Order: sequence, then C-alpha cells, then structure tokens
Amino acid sequence: AQSVTQLDSHVSVSEGTPVLLRCNYSSSYSPSLFWYVQHPNKGLQLLLKYTSAATLVKGINGFEAEFKKSETSFHLTKPSAHMSDAAEYFCVVSVSETGNQFYFGTGTSLTVIP
Amino acid sequence: GAGVSQSPSNKVTEKGKDVELRCDPISGHTALYWYRQSLGQGLEFLIYFQGNSAPDKSGLPSDRFSAERTGGSVSTLTIQRTQQEDSAVYLCASSPSSLAGRFFFGPGTRLTVL
Repeated sequence: AQSVTQLDSHVSVSEGTPVLLRCNYSSSYSPSLFWYVQHPNKGLQLLLKYTSAATLVKGINGFEAEFKKSETSFHLTKPSAHMSDAAEYFCVVSVSETGNQFYFGTGTSLTVIP
Repeated sequence: GAGVSQSPSNKVTEKGKDVELRCDPISGHTALYWYRQSLGQGLEFLIYFQGNSAPDKSGLPSDRFSAERTGGSVSTLTIQRTQQEDSAVYLCASSPSSLAGRFFFGPGTRLTVL
C-alpha cells in the first residue's frame, strides 16, 4: 500500500530563515514523489517532482527536495523564506504500478513571520 | 482556454437526499480525478478516470458514492442518501496524460449535509 505522512501540520519561520517541510512515504514500488503548494483561494501548483532521476530535485521559487530511499523521505527545503511562501504544502506519492493514483499527505501550513 | 469548472459551487442538502456534483475538465485532458477535502484532513482520493480505461474506484468510501464520465469529458459524482460525514469540499482535477503529476484543479463544490 502507498501512503504519505507529513510530519508537521503547521510550520512557522521568520522571513529570510530556512524552510524545512518534512514528508515520509510508504510504497511497495518505486514511487514518483511530488510537492504541491496551494495559496489561499487558488488551485494547486506543482513545485517539483521526483521520478527516479537525480535524487536532489530543484523546483520553482527556490524550493528543492531530496529523495532519500533509505529514510523513505522527501523533505522540502528552501534556504531563505519569503513572505509570499506562506501557503499550504502537500506531499504526494504516485506509483505507475497502481495506475498512477496519487496519494496526498494531509498538508503543512507554512506561516512566514516578517 | 477555460480551466476546470465545477458546479454547483455550494450545495446544502438534508440528510438522506441524493446529490449530483458536476465537473467539466479542460478540453483534451484524458485524466480526471475526484478528491474531497474534509475540515482538517488532506485531500482524499475518490475516483480516477483515464481515457477509455475502466475507472479506478478504489477510493470511493461506500457504495453510496458513484461517478461517471460521459464521452471522455464531463464527469458527474453522485452521492446517494447523503450523511453528515459526507460534508466536505469535493474537488475535480484533470491532467493531460503526457504531463504526469500536473494537475489542474477546479474550484470545488462545498457540500453541507444538515
């Protein structure tokens, strides 16, 4: 079975400090992993995705994530938070062997303090 | 062109009544997903249509839930004999098959069961 756990429901950081949003996954297969961001009153936006190429994935807006198979983790990081980063972030796993069904984590709400 | 649209935007119904939720995906998108988001929960997968293949119904929570997609385009999610725990925002997303993981979400239908 596939599942995603986002370890923090809420993260608060000061502007200009690093961001770490944690995600652990469980999968019987080699998964594809994604991070999405949802700003208030807007749709989901794809930040980055891992599909068995380089384990360090760079996305938009300065975000990146590292796939660590030994730790079954795919944590999202950014060196310096910006006020516009305040949003809800979802970690997602998908496996082609189960028909590309997408499994979403429960989300992490990021607050950026001026 | 237009994005994914859903109707109605809000639906209030009495327990035991049937409801139909509609999704118009982006033209040409072969994949269509239904999710729901309950208060404090992550996105919960319901059903997935891909082209002319049999839909993946594994996420439907009970036999009161059903969905169809006519002509590979418009989809209708039907909930029979609604219960209070069905109250949630029901989200539809479409995806072009060539861009795995790139979702285009509709604005959702907020369902309230009294």
